[in-house]
Amino acid sequence: QVQLQESGPGLVKASQTLSLTCTVSGGSISDSSYYWSWIRQPAGKALEWIGRIYTSGSTYYNPSLESRVAISIDTSKNQFSLRLSSVTAADTAVYYCARTRPQNWFDPWGQGTLVTVSS
Amino acid sequence: DIQMTQSPSSLSASVGDRVTITCRASQSISNYLNWYQQKPGKAPKLLIYAASSLQSGVPSRFSGSGSGTDFTLTINTVQPEDFATYYCQQSDSTPQTFGQGTNLEIK
Repeated sequence: QVQLQESGPGLVKASQTLSLTCTVSGGSISDSSYYWSWIRQPAGKALEWIGRIYTSGSTYYNPSLESRVAISIDTSKNQFSLRLSSVTAADTAVYYCARTRPQNWFDPWGQGTLVTVSS
Repeated sequence: DIQMTQSPSSLSASVGDRVTITCRASQSISNYLNWYQQKPGKAPKLLIYAASSLQSGVPSRFSGSGSGTDFTLTINTVQPEDFATYYCQQSDSTPQTFGQGTNLEIK
């Protein structure tokens, strides 16, 4: 059974870059049947899709974040990563990674990691 | 972006009740609609995909219907473990977008 686990700093200073890694276990990130996504949820607010990556390295981002986002993949480590630059308090959220079907539903999800942007 | 509007935003029910949650898209999304359940402090869990397909392992008391712009999630005979927040998500176009959630509470 595939499991995902997010890791990275829980506190990032404003204007700096947020970096998170998602480690996939119980399955291969090179499986051509899936994409791999990042999604975030500010406290008390709705979920927001950030972007996704395919095993080939091709990416697709939410246009609202595209200028600040980069997602990469390391198939040798079965990991994919998120970098979000120039963060502000508005980027404070729980960040989830998720396996993504080509039809763009998300299952399963990692447990999530809270990232707080401090001034 | 396609806007997803859920109603109601919160709902009180008793164990054994039948509950219906509605999700409306700002434009037609065919059947590209998915439902998730989220419990406090936990990640969302996929319940229904493609509007009406039950995800493996999800109890059959959950069902989904609809197409175009209007969709429903129904829980027949609500169980104690069903009290949670439910989100719809459209997967018709990028960016995929979610509804604001419906909080199902115990009456």
